[in-house]
Amino acid sequence: DADVTQTPRNRITKTGKRIMLECSQTKGHDRMYWYRQDPGLGLRLIYYSFDVKDINKGEISDGYSVSRQAQAKFSLSLESAIPNQTALYFCATSDPLAEQFFGPGTRLTVL
Amino acid sequence: GQQLNQSPQSMFIQEGEDVSMNCTSSSIFNTWLWYKQEPGEGPVLLIALYKAGELTSNGRLTAQFGITRKDSFLNISASIPSDVGIYFCAGQLSFQPYTNAGGTSYGKLTFGQGTILTVHP
Repeated sequence: DADVTQTPRNRITKTGKRIMLECSQTKGHDRMYWYRQDPGLGLRLIYYSFDVKDINKGEISDGYSVSRQAQAKFSLSLESAIPNQTALYFCATSDPLAEQFFGPGTRLTVL
Repeated sequence: GQQLNQSPQSMFIQEGEDVSMNCTSSSIFNTWLWYKQEPGEGPVLLIALYKAGELTSNGRLTAQFGITRKDSFLNISASIPSDVGIYFCAGQLSFQPYTNAGGTSYGKLTFGQGTILTVHP
């Protein structure tokens, strides 16, 4: 079984809809992250959490919110989706050595 | 904020050739990581570097942590078709005990834009 899982893997939605992307991990890591990937821009950090009670904004947090429901779960929400949020979204976890482990990604399309 | 410049943006090579790509930063890092991403998958860690000057190998892959702590390179020797993918560098400041004030750079990775590698049989 995969260490980091993301659901859904693909989602098509309409402008203005609320969307939640979910991430679960079995690695026992305290730290979890949400990234967005766009062609030619690499991975950009949206939000990160160093433990259950800690939530921090990344470089592109506007339009997004997160919830850390448990050590193993970190969800990303788009309150009112817009077309320029069409992208690949990745969840990751890490231990204190900095090596991050990524989920398989969610491809989101906002029409 | 910190920025990483990764080059080249793309490479088209013949099977058997060697490949070299690098990342440079406007500021120092204490850790450099190299990831590979295949279509439909998340990035997978290839090599981690923790010390300036460190040279580390993983099979046909070799990576080095620059002495200035502002750069790193990745070499792939004798490329094969399964080397195809996007290669990302990432840098991180060493993790320090953090406060809850927010805005700390510690514990976060900064990624390069990626190098798209195509290998022709």
